[in-house]
Order: sequence, then C-alpha cells, then structure tokens
Amino acid sequence: SQQGEEDPQALSIQEGENATMNCSYKTSINNLQWYRQNSGRGLVHLILIRSNEREKHSGRLRVTLDTSKKSSSLLITASRAADTASYFCATDGGTAGGTSYGKLTFGQGTILTVHP
Amino acid sequence: EAGVVQSPRYKIIEKKQPVAFWCNPISGHNTLYWYRQNLGQGPELLIRYENEEAVDDSQLPKDRFSAERLKGVDSTLKIQPAELGDSAVYLCASRSGSSANTQYFGPGTRLTVL
Repeated sequence: SQQGEEDPQALSIQEGENATMNCSYKTSINNLQWYRQNSGRGLVHLILIRSNEREKHSGRLRVTLDTSKKSSSLLITASRAADTASYFCATDGGTAGGTSYGKLTFGQGTILTVHP
Repeated sequence: EAGVVQSPRYKIIEKKQPVAFWCNPISGHNTLYWYRQNLGQGPELLIRYENEEAVDDSQLPKDRFSAERLKGVDSTLKIQPAELGDSAVYLCASRSGSSANTQYFGPGTRLTVL
C-alpha cells in the first residue's frame, strides 16, 4: 500500500522556473527521502531528511519537512530540461535495529516536465 | 563503483509461463530489496533480505512468487505461473549498513505478460 500522496500528479514548467512538489504521509517516520526516476530507468536517490530536521539543501534542491502536518516539499530551483522525470517521496518509519528499519514506502510520484 | 545490475531488462511471456529475474547488488551491500512498480505508481516492496535471510516478505504473493539470495550476494525472483496482472517493472535495490537507509536501485526488468 502507498504511504504518501504527492501533489501535483503532474507539473509542466519552462526552463529556469522553480518547481515545487509536495508529499503527505500518514504515520510517524524516521526519515523521508526523495527519489528521481527518468523514463525507463531505475530510481536515483536525491536527498534524505531526518524527522528532527526541518529543512535541507543539496545544490538546486531544497527539501522541507513538517512532522506536525506530516508533509514534505521538494523545491527545484532554476529548473533545466534534464530535470524532466518522475519524483517520488519515500518514508522510512522504522527505528534503527528494528525489523522495519530500512523499509521505504513510496508515494505515487509527481511527473515533472521542463520545457526548453 | 558498479551499480546494481539487473537482467534481463525486458521480458515478454505468455500467461501461465514461468519467469525469473536476476539481481547483482553493489559490492558489500548486505541489504537487498525487490520492488514491483506498476504503471503510474511508486514502487512497492515485495521482499527484503539482510544477507541471505528474508526479513520482510509480507507483501510477496507466495502462491506464485519466490525469491532466493544464496550466499547473501546475488538474488533471483521467480514467478510461476505468471498472470496478466503481473505485468510491471521489477526493481532491485541494495543498501549498505552504514548508508542511513539510502537505497541504490537497478534499472529494473520490464515484464509484459500476454
């Protein structure tokens, strides 16, 4: 079963614009991760944010986490055509040493299209 | 460092036929995962291995699916017999014990059951 819901399901923007994707989840988490999937390829890990963190940056990526609202957002600044892909959030609800640790539950994804 | 290797990349079979997928994880990664990804959906976990032990197979349809990870390295996932609804992409991922749960995915095997 899917843990999270991503919004929007699809996003179309012009190169240079910012893209924001949102993820909501239902249960408590240890960390939340974002992955990118290009057409016909496997998933690539982008960034991980722990439950005690509120914001994290990596290059043109900015991730926020609000555990009180059970939501996260991924911002891609100055988007490029190469950013065209599906983006998934995934939650890890387990604690280290527990049997659920390392188990990710993925959302349905946001399809981002960046037009040159 | 070589990534997660999967084969075949594509497989087309008729229903009721058997099929097998192979995965070679990143060297040194003790944890291995098999996911199924339906069109337009996120991946869903089928089974997770810690070394050669299956520690979470609660979502594996055991009547037709089986998996093994002999010697705690390579893994195979088998479906017998395949059904139309099994058409999906089957993804393998691996993780090292010290990677804070970052998973590294292979390119997947796209299965079409006719």
